[in-house]
Amino acid sequence: DAKTTQPTSMDCAEGRAANLPCNHSTISGNEYVYWYRQIHSQGPQYIIHGLKNNETNEMASLIITEDRKSSTLILPHATLRDTAVYYCIVRVAMTYNTDKLIFGTGTRLQVFP
Amino acid sequence: GAGVSQSPSNKVTEKGKDVELRCDPISGHTALYWYRQSLGQGLEFLIYFQGNSAPDKSGLPSDRFSAERTGGSVSTLTIQRTQQEDSAVYLCASSLVGTGTYEQYFGPGTRLTVT
Repeated sequence: DAKTTQPTSMDCAEGRAANLPCNHSTISGNEYVYWYRQIHSQGPQYIIHGLKNNETNEMASLIITEDRKSSTLILPHATLRDTAVYYCIVRVAMTYNTDKLIFGTGTRLQVFP
Repeated sequence: GAGVSQSPSNKVTEKGKDVELRCDPISGHTALYWYRQSLGQGLEFLIYFQGNSAPDKSGLPSDRFSAERTGGSVSTLTIQRTQQEDSAVYLCASSLVGTGTYEQYFGPGTRLTVT
C-alpha cells in the first residue's frame, strides 16, 4: 500500500485559503487519493477524492500533480470550524475481499481568528 | 437521513471483563468497517464486512476480538477478557458498497476505558 507523508501541523488565518500538502510517491496507477478530516472527539468526515484530475466540491479542491506523486487539499476560505486533523489516504485496491482506509498521522490544521 | 450510530457512547469496564460494542450502519449500506483509535494516535483498521461476510479480518489484534453482522445491518464488536491496552475509541463506518470509490461514513465512536 502506498504510504503518505504530511506535515504534522499547519496554521491558517480565518478567511484565507488553507493549502494542505501530501506526498504519495509510491502510489500505483489504480489507487485513488482520499482526504478525510477529524474534528476533535468526532468520527472522520469524508472531504474529497481523486485519481489524476483535479477535483472540486462544496467543501474543498484537490490538486494532484501530473506524476501523481503529490497532492494538495485546498480549503478556499478557512473558518474556525475547519480546525481539525486532515488525513491524506491512498486507498487500498478495492475488491470484494478487502476494502479499508489506512490512516497516517495526518496534519493538524489550526485556523485562528 | 440518519447517519451511522454507535452504542454505547462511553463504556468503562474492569480488566478481564467482556464488552460488546454495537454499530448501526446507514440503511442500505452493504459494507461495514470497524476501526479503533488509541489516545493521540491515528485510526487502525480492524475488520471489514461485505453483507454478513467478513472477507478481511486482518486488523483484529488478537483472538480476544471478534465481530459479527446479522441481516446485513447491525454489527457487534466483542472484546473478551479486556486488557488495559484495549482502551481506545472504537469507530464504525459504512459505505454503499465495498468496492469502487464510495466514501465511508463514520459514526461518533464508542470510547472504551479498561480499568
